Amino acid sequence: GAVVSQHPSWVICKSGTSVKIECRSLDFQATTMFWYRQFPKQSLMLMATSNEGSKATYEQGVEKDKFLINHASLTLSTLTVTSAHPEDSSFYICSATSEYIQYFGAGTRLSVL
Amino acid sequence: LAKTTQPISMDSYEGQEVNITCSHNNIATNDYITWYQQFPSQGPRFIIQGYKTKVTNEVASLFIPADRKSSTLSLPRVSLSDTAVYYCLVGELGFYFGSGTKLNVKP
Repeated sequence: GAVVSQHPSWVICKSGTSVKIECRSLDFQATTMFWYRQFPKQSLMLMATSNEGSKATYEQGVEKDKFLINHASLTLSTLTVTSAHPEDSSFYICSATSEYIQYFGAGTRLSVL
Repeated sequence: LAKTTQPISMDSYEGQEVNITCSHNNIATNDYITWYQQFPSQGPRFIIQGYKTKVTNEVASLFIPADRKSSTLSLPRVSLSDTAVYYCLVGELGFYFGSGTKLNVKP
């Protein structure tokens, strides 16, 4: 199956700093990628849909100024958590679709101190 | 988008066949049914996808009745390494995750 790479796998940052997470489709092109957030023992929650060359579409309740998404190429989408706070600590997962199947990255564990 | 309902948890023993059923009463005509497996601190892994009837691959089978309002994931002869959360997603792309089923395989 198709491979989606996510980096970094784990990041610790201080409160108030910004963190960038990269999501790459390694062996296919993805005009659309998706960003999810998962809290402990909970299901995945869709945060936003990332569209190559255009603005992302955010789910209701997700602050677009806090979670900046850039999809500058057909294989790369980035999620930047700006001015991170402890409540932003979570597991962030990206996905991309190939032939009607979503393939997921390994996830990024963000810990904000 | 179709909402899905699955059992919260299931227990099984090694070597048994496990069937996990997902209910999706308001599935749309164009919707596919896709199942994923997730281990702790990892992204979901694709297991199988189907539209109707039965689909089988090297790891699982997916049974979909004619009305498509439910689906059953069948895992043959599970092992301890199959302990995970299993999600069914419904939709052309399937963005919205339900609660999933936590499968616990015992020795």
